Amino acid sequence: KQEVTQIPAALSVPEGENLVLNCSFTDSAIYNLQWFRQDPGKGLTSLLLIQSSQREQTSGRLNASLDKSSGRSTLYIAASQPGDSATYLCAVNAGNMLTFGGGTRLMVKP
Amino acid sequence: DAGVTQSPTHLIKTRGQQVTLRCSPKSGHDTVSWYQQALGQGPQFIFQYYEEEERQRGNFPDRFSGHQFPNYSSELNVNALLLGDSALYLCASSFAGTPYYGYTFGSGTRLTVV
Repeated sequence: KQEVTQIPAALSVPEGENLVLNCSFTDSAIYNLQWFRQDPGKGLTSLLLIQSSQREQTSGRLNASLDKSSGRSTLYIAASQPGDSATYLCAVNAGNMLTFGGGTRLMVKP
Repeated sequence: DAGVTQSPTHLIKTRGQQVTLRCSPKSGHDTVSWYQQALGQGPQFIFQYYEEEERQRGNFPDRFSGHQFPNYSSELNVNALLLGDSALYLCASSFAGTPYYGYTFGSGTRLTVV
């Protein structure tokens, strides 16, 4: 059974800092991994999708890496802004379902 | 290009009642999945529908059932509601032709059982 863990569970940083969110999974037989953002009480917004054959994906200030063999992914956020405050979720796709981690709640203080 | 649409946005039901939630997938997608997200937790997979049939199911009781229509839209039904069914219910659509395109989520339906 696939299990996904996200560390840290919560993070509070001053504006402008670069930060790294971690995601680990137990079964490396995956198609891809997706990082999502969730604002309080809202749905999920897809940030980055990394295929199992890829090492990283970039979108603006966001960079996600994937090491399938070790079961790890990281989301790097450069020059954080207060608008980045949200919960960040990673999810692995091993077939007809996504398995999610518990999320990292990020607070960026002005 | 419309994304995933869910209705209603919020719902309050009494314990023991039945509820139906609705989802319209993103244009071009033919597969609909449903997830339950309790407060402070990651979403949990309920089931996935493709070609009007349940293709895969998570660890949820038979009180949770679904349906997919010929236009790919879907309904989630929950019978005999329990207080523990209070959660955000998320619908996600995808394209069955390949698992490589990823999933698109709707804004969710907040269900409160009192």
